This record gives sequence, structure tokens and C-alpha cells, in this order.
Amino acid sequence: GAGVSQSPSNKVTEKGKDVELRCDPISGHTALYWYRQSLGQGLEFLIYFQGNSAPDKSGLPSDRFSAERTGGSVSTLTIQRTQQEDSAVYLCASSPLGAGLSYEQYFGPGTRLTVT
Amino acid sequence: GDSVTQMEGPVTLSEEAFLTINCTYTATGYPSLFWYVQYPGEGLQLLLKATKADDKGSNKGFEATYRKETTSFHLEKGSVQVSDSAVYFCALSDLDSNYQLIWGAGTKLIIKP
Repeated sequence: GAGVSQSPSNKVTEKGKDVELRCDPISGHTALYWYRQSLGQGLEFLIYFQGNSAPDKSGLPSDRFSAERTGGSVSTLTIQRTQQEDSAVYLCASSPLGAGLSYEQYFGPGTRLTVT
Repeated sequence: GDSVTQMEGPVTLSEEAFLTINCTYTATGYPSLFWYVQYPGEGLQLLLKATKADDKGSNKGFEATYRKETTSFHLEKGSVQVSDSAVYFCALSDLDSNYQLIWGAGTKLIIKP
């Protein structure tokens, strides 16, 4: 079946612009995670969605970052007023996560964001 | 909070050598442990996992055993190949943190023919 997909695969933007990154999780997976992979910080958790519950936003680095998940499926990560330190690969993962189900996370290919 | 420490790289080995990449963790609960691999130009893939003490995860000739007494999950392979060249990440997750993955820094492995 189809895996996790992300778009765009690459995004170059000017400092101060807003960007939207999209994630399509595996169908039926209730949990969705966003991570960031950067040279200086390694892999960092950003935000977690599970079903209709309130998201866990504890990893978002600033209030310029926000995310939503519509209909329990597609998610969009928005970065407002981008800064150069936002340059990184943004990874999305989904998981079946639930009683009796696996909690393994399956990753998308990532969106490479470059802020100039 | 929870954390993962893994040996720094790069690790350079000759083909058919024995591989060990060390990973230790700190956790307040009972985490599950993972090794992920990132081949050049590709995304993260789950390599193996272990969910409780003394479990051994294995895949593609790689093994790691969940050692609660030493809080370790070292990755081993008896005979590496050039195709194993990649970056390897140790990670943990537990219920207390909504199963988010907490990552080690990654170890770059270079296998020379």
C-alpha cells in the first residue's frame, strides 16, 4: 500500500516568508508526528496528533510554528516569518497506535526547507 | 527527561568486519527501543525494535538486545557489507511522551570494500 507522502520535496524560501508543508499519512493510521532533522540539532520532535484529541505541541520551537490535521488524515505544518535557522528537513511519520496495534512509526521522505 | 546517547561517528570498517554501534538510554518509564537507518538520499527506515527487557530485535543480519540492567541497546552485525553504509539512529519511545521518538545523534557508518 501507499506509504507516507510529503510535499513539496524541496522548498526554498526567502527569510520572512510563510511556508506550508503537507503530510499524507498512511490510510487508517490514527497517530501523526512531525519531526525536524537539522545539522546542528539532530532529530527533534515537533508535534503529535492522535485521533480527535488535542495535539501535543510541546516540541514546537516557537509560536511561528503551527500545525493542523484535517479530518484525522492530512496534516499541514506552517512556519510563519521563516528564519534561516528554520532550514532543515521536516519529517512526517504516522502510526496505527492503539490498543492491540503497533506503535511503530512510518516515515515520509521529508521536505527539505532552505531559507535564504 | 528521557534521552538517548549513541557513539559518535563516523565509523569506518572494511567489508566483512564485525560491527558494534553503542547506544545507551535514560528513561523514567519502560520504553520501547528502536534502531532506524537512513541510507544516502533516502528517508528513515525502521531497522529493528525491542519492546521489553531481554528482547532481541533482528533484521537484515543486524541484532540488538534490550538490556535493562545496563540501559543499553547496542547494534551489532557479524559481517558488514558496503551496502550497509548509512546513518544509524538509536531511539526510544514510551507512553508517557505519547510514543514520540527520542533520538540519539546518529552514527555514520562507512564500509570500504
